[in-house]
Amino acid sequence: SAVISQKPSRDICQRGTSLTIQCQVDSQVTMMFWYRQQPGQSLTLIATANQGSEATYESGFVIDKFPISRPNLTFSTLTVSNMSPEDSSIYLCSVLSGQFGNTIYFGEGSWLTVV
Amino acid sequence: QKEVEQNSGPLSVPEGAIASLNCTYSDRGSQSFFWYRQYSGKSPELIMSIYSNGDKEDGRFTAQLNKASQYVSLLIRDSQPSDSATYLCAVNIPRRGGSNYKLTFGKGTLLTVNP
Repeated sequence: SAVISQKPSRDICQRGTSLTIQCQVDSQVTMMFWYRQQPGQSLTLIATANQGSEATYESGFVIDKFPISRPNLTFSTLTVSNMSPEDSSIYLCSVLSGQFGNTIYFGEGSWLTVV
Repeated sequence: QKEVEQNSGPLSVPEGAIASLNCTYSDRGSQSFFWYRQYSGKSPELIMSIYSNGDKEDGRFTAQLNKASQYVSLLIRDSQPSDSATYLCAVNIPRRGGSNYKLTFGKGTLLTVNP
């Protein structure tokens, strides 16, 4: 499986600020995704990061709040904009990989606390 | 009905026992099914994937799939304290728009294996 590195791994952010999370993969992957896991909850897909075009957002998530970049097949960023305490979550970068190319693997996650 | 539902936890078993984790899904068109393990403070890691009806064994883990009943389960034999974690069921539910691949996760079952 691909090795996925995220940074920052953890941060405490002030309300109203924005933070960009970076995701680096050690091999080229076609599909990259960003998930959110709020405290005590399961994982929710934010968007699919598309290389060279705009990300595809899931219902309830918008580009103004969560702008995503995917400049190449190994790198993506997620920005959490104008943060509020409700944005305190784990943000997970993930890729589609595996023997049959249909398994999702996760990075270590970015733990964000908004104060 | 939720897209992916897991049996409510937490589940507590003694060391050496069999732990049984259950999951149901709503979309009959689903083709890929996964179990992830998530330790506290860590990101999810893939345990098992299953695509065909029946059982699939990997060491102490057995995944069982019954598409007619829309049911997938994970059995952990000879449970160890190190198996104590949250287990997430994930299903690839077919999409008719937007991104063509999306894993939908259940809320997870917290398993505790007591020494």
